[in-house]
Amino acid sequence: DTAVSQTPKYLVTQMGNDKSIKCEQNLGHDTMYWYKQDSKKFLKIMFSYNNKELIINETVPNRFSPKSPDKAHLNLHINSLELGDSAVYFCASSQGGPTSNYGYTFGSGTRLTVV
Amino acid sequence: GDSVTQMEGPVTLSEEAFLTINCTYTATGYPSLFWYVQYPGEGLQLLLKATKADDKGSNKGFEATYRKETTSFHLEKGSVQVSDSAVYFCALTGGFKTIFGAGTRLFVKA
Repeated sequence: DTAVSQTPKYLVTQMGNDKSIKCEQNLGHDTMYWYKQDSKKFLKIMFSYNNKELIINETVPNRFSPKSPDKAHLNLHINSLELGDSAVYFCASSQGGPTSNYGYTFGSGTRLTVV
Repeated sequence: GDSVTQMEGPVTLSEEAFLTINCTYTATGYPSLFWYVQYPGEGLQLLLKATKADDKGSNKGFEATYRKETTSFHLEKGSVQVSDSAVYFCALTGGFKTIFGAGTRLFVKA
């Protein structure tokens, strides 16, 4: 019944490794997002896909690569992990694009710790 | 560019106190405005919204009124509970994306 689900919930890995985070939504929404939340709770948009097309690509190191195999899934792959990548990563979805009047539905987050 | 400014936290209140968390915005056009709540260890949840001037959004005892003249969308609750302890985010639809404020942490003491 979970609307936006992310896996894994926790991820601890060493510097230099490559890791992926997966996200799925069962709401039938047409737009999905990745956000990064730092330790001060500041939310930064990273990417957004609308019907599998990349529509928002903020200034993010190219070690981060999103992939959307279909409109219900948006994955995030991170190469060569660095200490500064440690954060909580949230997936979200909405109907009607990034300026949806309906608001966003967020997943419960993936806490990434790079050691 | 469009922006959202929230009062800095943390805000610490005793149970049953009145809550106000200030939010002001700058935007071109006519944005929709939102409040989200994030409980510890969870993702953000939409709390309430207003899509045009003078609209009042309400949910779970929380209210906020879209004030175009003061470009504000302050969150209020008449009597807070310990379970309201969370981080609250104001947001607006601006340009081609939704912009979130920096968040305000609320602690409610029993």
